[in-house]
Amino acid sequence: IQMTQSPSSLSASVGDRVTITCRASQGIRNDLGWYQQKPGKAPKRLIYAASSLQSGVPSRFSGSGSGTEFTLTISSLQPEDFATYYCLQHNSYPQTFGQGTKLEIK
Amino acid sequence: EVQLVESGGGLAQPGGSLRLSCAASRLTLSSYAMSWVRQAPGKGLEWVSVISGSGDYTNYADSVKGRFTISRDSSKNTLYLQMNSLGADDTAVYYCAIQNSGPVDWGQGTLVSVSS
Repeated sequence: IQMTQSPSSLSASVGDRVTITCRASQGIRNDLGWYQQKPGKAPKRLIYAASSLQSGVPSRFSGSGSGTEFTLTISSLQPEDFATYYCLQHNSYPQTFGQGTKLEIK
Repeated sequence: EVQLVESGGGLAQPGGSLRLSCAASRLTLSSYAMSWVRQAPGKGLEWVSVISGSGDYTNYADSVKGRFTISRDSSKNTLYLQMNSLGADDTAVYYCAIQNSGPVDWGQGTLVSVSS
């Protein structure tokens, strides 16, 4: 299953609302997670089952979608949110990540 | 808090082998499915392999199938990735992770460099 993530990069300001999209090449129900990665660090899961917030993750992060179209929304960007974001499908093996979205400060 | 610590990375010759380890503390690895995920320098994440909690199911990315073997030793509470026939494309940071509807808890990673 191919995961197409867009955009590949995004420039935004603190306080902005941003949306990242992942499209699956075939239906994956809600078997999708969203990850945040900062330079030199391991990824951190933010969202599981497409829309469930991982424990400890701020509520400004939200996920939606099912089937083939998914979105990650950050409602009000904070300085610590500037990072790279990935989607991952775990509906079938091999699990596949999107190409990543680098979120930069405008 | 769960802690996963990878080791065994380093410099390998093309065609050579390495074995990565992932040791766990504050959890029993055999209770969980476990994965390896890698990231080439400056690139995105690539899922590599998974093993079930019982150890009787494994799966691999096409890019490593037939060359890499995932295994676990319950007595040592350790996950392994045996990597053979290494090539330059295998150069990456390798992470182990607990698998629960996708990777959830990750180690800090170990760097594998393949070069002559």
